[in-house]
Amino acid sequence: NAGVMQNPRHLVRRRGQEARLRCSPMKGHSHVYWYRQLPEEGLKFMVYLQKENIIDESGMPKERFSAEFPKEGPSILRIQQVVRGDSAAYFCASSPTPTGNGGSPLHFGNGTRLTVT
Amino acid sequence: DQQVKQNSPSLSVQEGRISILNCDYTNSMFDYFLWYKKYPAEGPTFLISISSIKDKNEDGRFTVFLNKSAKHLSLHIVPSQPGDSAVYFCAANKNSGGSNYKLTFGKGTLLTVNP
Repeated sequence: NAGVMQNPRHLVRRRGQEARLRCSPMKGHSHVYWYRQLPEEGLKFMVYLQKENIIDESGMPKERFSAEFPKEGPSILRIQQVVRGDSAAYFCASSPTPTGNGGSPLHFGNGTRLTVT
Repeated sequence: DQQVKQNSPSLSVQEGRISILNCDYTNSMFDYFLWYKKYPAEGPTFLISISSIKDKNEDGRFTVFLNKSAKHLSLHIVPSQPGDSAVYFCAANKNSGGSNYKLTFGKGTLLTVNP
């Protein structure tokens, strides 16, 4: 679990500001997945990225949210003009290969808790 | 539309006894099921999984049972230990078809094991 590094652990933003959440995958992992957990809900898939490519963003809200995983550096989940409903825990997971044939269960980081005031 | 349901928000058991956590699903396309354990302020940790071609998978104190006809699975922990106290999430996905990273989670069950 400690292998996937997320920062910051806690982030407070006022309505209308931007939030940037960072995720460094486990060493040797080139597949990154972002999930969101709203209060008293289960985790929900947002986006799947490989280096420099977005593979599946079907879980991303259509506006204000974007994600990238550049060739160098961590993956970034960016939320523009945050609203109170964006308050949640955002978890990143990584895998060495696409999670295929039931292998490589996702390894999650400890999350970033975003609070919008 | 909740496709994975954990109807018990919480469960309390005595140390040494069996803990049984239940999970129901509605999507018949799900063919792979996982249990994750989560401590406060940490991320979910993979615990055990089961493919739909099996009805039981065991790993030490943890056993997962799958009843496909009832669309029901359960996690048994025996004997339960205080360190097992955590939130347990049931998750499912369609392993075939290429979207097997897209887990659908239940809302979780808080297990408390009393010494």
